[in-house]
Amino acid sequence: ILNVEQSPQSLHVQEGDSTNFTCSFPSSNFYALHWYRWETAKSPEALFVMTLNGDEKKKGRISATLNTKEGYSYLYIKGSQPEDSATYLCAFSDNYGQNFVFGPGTRLSVLP
Amino acid sequence: DTGVSQDPRHKITKRGQNVTFRCDPISEHNRLYWYRQTLGQGPEFLTYFQNEAQLEKSRLLSDRFSAERPKGSFSTLEIQRTEQGDSAMYLCASSLRGGNTEAFFGQGTRLTVV
Repeated sequence: ILNVEQSPQSLHVQEGDSTNFTCSFPSSNFYALHWYRWETAKSPEALFVMTLNGDEKKKGRISATLNTKEGYSYLYIKGSQPEDSATYLCAFSDNYGQNFVFGPGTRLSVLP
Repeated sequence: DTGVSQDPRHKITKRGQNVTFRCDPISEHNRLYWYRQTLGQGPEFLTYFQNEAQLEKSRLLSDRFSAERPKGSFSTLEIQRTEQGDSAMYLCASSLRGGNTEAFFGQGTRLTVV
């Protein structure tokens, strides 16, 4: 069974702070790593799909990096805003089933 | 077609009853996934389809669970003889291809077994 871990489990920051989370995944048979944002009462929304070691992706104030050799990805949020409050999920896909295995998520609360 | 839709949004059932959920994916998407999410956990994989073929089923899934995707369009997930431990959010997602394309999620079906 593939194991995807995320840390921290939850995080409270002040508006304007920058923050980052970690996703750890198996370093063998890597195919893709996804980041999703899941706001309360909404559907999970894709942020990034990353496939290459060293990938860096950016969308507005949010960016992500990928290290497939050591099996981790970082998600960064610059200048957090209250609307960034959500659970951030990463999902790993391997070469076999190409299924998505999710981590438990990091719950972010941005206080105004 | 604005996205993935799931029906019903909420379901309360008595223990021992059967329930069926429906998922309508984005029309051109070949892949359809079912996940279960309980409080404090990330989505847990249940099964997925490539068109009408069910390609993988989680070993964690008991025989009481079955899923179909006739004609490669909508999918149904049935739980027979529900138990209280089945109470969870059931999420459906679809993607154009395999694991390197983003998945689009429905809003889920919240099941409560009493």
